[in-house]
Amino acid sequence: AQTVTQSQPEMSVQEAETVTLSCTYDTSESDYYLFWYKQPPSRQMILVIRQEAYKQQNATENRFSVNFQKAAKSFSLKISDSQLGDAAMYFCAYRSAGGGGADGLTFGKGTHLIIQP
Amino acid sequence: DADVTQTPRNRITKTGKRIMLECSQTKGHDRMYWYRQDPGLGLRLIYYSFDVKDINKGEISDGYSVSRQAQAKFSLSLESAIPNQTALYFCATRGQVQETQYFGPGTRLLVL
Repeated sequence: AQTVTQSQPEMSVQEAETVTLSCTYDTSESDYYLFWYKQPPSRQMILVIRQEAYKQQNATENRFSVNFQKAAKSFSLKISDSQLGDAAMYFCAYRSAGGGGADGLTFGKGTHLIIQP
Repeated sequence: DADVTQTPRNRITKTGKRIMLECSQTKGHDRMYWYRQDPGLGLRLIYYSFDVKDINKGEISDGYSVSRQAQAKFSLSLESAIPNQTALYFCATRGQVQETQYFGPGTRLLVL
């Protein structure tokens, strides 16, 4: 079974600074997808960014980018120019692209991001 | 209007009661999911469905059952609720050729 580990229960960053959230995963598969979801106090799960394992290029969405290291099974999220609205729980998630096994997301335990004004 | 809706948004019930959580979607997706979120544990998959006739157990299905009444509706039932089923429950959907799951707003359930 796949596992996803987020080793930072909480991170704090000054507004306008850059912060990196860590995620590692364990899998024997070669084809899969990785996601970062944001959960603000409203508790809604919001997709931040997605990475396909077969793509070497790191995904980018405005101020959010990832550092995907397939061999190291690492998938970190970098938030540039942090804003107060970025304060939330951030979850890293994995999904197999293959036909076998459960079709669903495997989540890490989350990182609570605090933005200091 | 929201694409994925869940009812109720909050519910308090007593041990031993039967309770149903409902999920509806207007995205036209064939795949639907139920997850449970506990503090400090992230989200875990309870059940998922590829279509009306295809329902599968997830990681933590014990104590739960589901019904896919139509492509757009997927209900989660707790036949006899117990306190350790107190959690935040999410429904999600995904299209067959899409990779992203879209989540509903969640249902907060408290079992006394």
